[in-house]
Order: sequence, then C-alpha cells, then structure tokens
Amino acid sequence: AQSVTQLGSHVSVSEGALVLLRCNYSSSVPPYLFWYVQYPNQGLQLLLKYTTGATLVKGINGFEAEFKKSETSFHLTKPSAHMSDAAEYFCAVSPNSNYQLIWGAGTKLIIKP
Amino acid sequence: ETGVTQSPTHLIKTRGQQVTLRCSSQSGHNTVSWYQQALGQGPQFIFQYYREEENGRGNFPPRFSGLQFPNYSSELNVNALELDDSALYLCASSPDRASTDTQYFGPGTRLTVL
Repeated sequence: AQSVTQLGSHVSVSEGALVLLRCNYSSSVPPYLFWYVQYPNQGLQLLLKYTTGATLVKGINGFEAEFKKSETSFHLTKPSAHMSDAAEYFCAVSPNSNYQLIWGAGTKLIIKP
Repeated sequence: ETGVTQSPTHLIKTRGQQVTLRCSSQSGHNTVSWYQQALGQGPQFIFQYYREEENGRGNFPPRFSGLQFPNYSSELNVNALELDDSALYLCASSPDRASTDTQYFGPGTRLTVL
C-alpha cells in the first residue's frame, strides 16, 4: 500500500529564512506527486505537481520541489520565507493509473517575525 | 469562472442522524471527489464520481454514499452518524478523471456530531 510521510507536524522558520518541508512516499511505481497549501478556514490550493519530465518543479508563490526517485522524496522549498506563507502544507501522491490521492498528515509552517 | 462551492459551511448533528452535504463543481469539470479531513490529519479519499457514476471508492463504509447530477454538482450522504464522523468534508472537482488533472477544492463543510 502506498503511503506518504511528512516529517514534522510543525516547522518554524524566521521571516527571510529558507523553508524546507519534507515529504517521503512509498510506492511500487513512480507516482504523481503534489503539494497543496491550506490556509485557515479555506480549501486546499495546489502549489505544484510532478507528473513526468523535469524533476525540479516550480510552483506558485516562489515554492519549488524536487522529485528524487532514489530517495523516494519530494521535499518542498522556498528560498526566503514570508509571513504570508504561514499555513498548513500537504504532500500527496497518486499512482500512475489511479484517481485517488493519498495524503500526508500535513506540516504547519510557522513564520517568526 | 466560478470556483468550487460547498454548502453548508458548518453543520451540527447528533449521533444516528443523517446528513447531506452539497458541492457545486467548477464550470466545465465533470469529475468530483470527496474527502474527509479529521482534525490534525490529512484528507482521506471517500469516493469519486465521473459523469454521474461512481469511479472509485476509498475505505469508507456503505453508510457514506454519493450522487452526481447531470450538471455535475454532487452530494455526499452519511447515514447513522457516529461521533468519529466529525470532520471537515472537502469536495474537489477536476476537468476529467485522470489523476494528473489538477483537483480544485472547495472550502469544505465542517460537520460536528454530538
């Protein structure tokens, strides 16, 4: 069975510092990979996704993620954190021929002034 | 172009009752998926509807059922409510059932079961 692990339920960084949110997955086949963001009292918004091709994927709001097959990872990064980045971030995977998204438990990003 | 909308935003029910949650898909989208998000957890896939037919189901009991209408709006019905059904229920629409298509999420319905 496939699973997604997000390391750290809470991550705290200072404004202007590097953001690194970790996501590891288990899958018998190369999956499709997604990062979503959820602001308080709002729905989930797609940040970026990897399907095929270039392993470094750029998303909205300055975020990017790199698919590393050998490490089964899809970590999310942003060079410089902004206060508006404070939210909960979810990593999700989907098998090649499936419709179902399998989600991590989420990481709450806290930005310190 | 309107986004995905859900109603109601909040709902309080008691154990054993039945509830219907509604979702309007984004214009042009024929696929809708429903998720349950318990507090502090990631969403769990309930089921997906494609052109009015169920297109897959997660690990949820039969008392969770759904419908999709010709206009591609959708309902989630839950019978015999249990305390553990308290959660945020999210629907997401996508242009087609392929997994690579981006799913657009509504704001969710928060259900509290007392």
